[in-house]
Amino acid sequence: GQQLNQSPQSMFIQEGEDVSMNCTSSSIFNTWLWYKQDPGEGPVLLIALYKAGELTSNGRLTAQFGITRKDSFLNISASIPSDVGIYFCAGPTNGGSQGNLIFGKGTKLSVKP
Amino acid sequence: EAGVTQSPTHLIKTRGQQATLRCSPISGHTSVYWYQQALGLGLQFLLWYDEGEERNRGNFPPRFSGRQFPNYSSELNVNALELEDSALYLCASSLGIAGTGETQYFGPGTRLLVL
Repeated sequence: GQQLNQSPQSMFIQEGEDVSMNCTSSSIFNTWLWYKQDPGEGPVLLIALYKAGELTSNGRLTAQFGITRKDSFLNISASIPSDVGIYFCAGPTNGGSQGNLIFGKGTKLSVKP
Repeated sequence: EAGVTQSPTHLIKTRGQQATLRCSPISGHTSVYWYQQALGLGLQFLLWYDEGEERNRGNFPPRFSGRQFPNYSSELNVNALELEDSALYLCASSLGIAGTGETQYFGPGTRLLVL
């Protein structure tokens, strides 16, 4: 079945550093979504990508939809302590016909002040 | 606008019991999704309801079931609880089918502990 592989699994960075994480799949996705989950909360959508090659920003966050449709990356610039959390990539199964999203296992980000 | 709400926030049960979890979608959203997030793992899709009908289910045994009410709220029932059912159960809602341009918005989850 379709799977999303996220890397790295975890990151420990200093406040102010830039962060890059990515998500790959052996199958094509038509939509890439990036969510952030704070401890004890549900995931919150950060960025949605709908077109191959698309580059989208949301404040200090930038995400790209890979040309091959099999990957996506998320960058965070000038990290701050509130960036701490787990970042998930997600995409719809089979073009969305089955309704559900597939999630990667997440990248856990820790920021040292 | 109120977001997705879930109740209870925490639930403690013993093996063999039944658990009922509830979800209220964002006003106007007709699709409700249930996911299981076991400790340290990503989200695993459980069930999708739209317009009162079950549209799809993930790779979970039949003791995981649910329904959607006419007001689009939803219930997840887990029968014959097992220890490995301990997890955070997340509900999400969307205007239409997830990934077709319609964003899924998540609730805070219900943390189920099976002893």
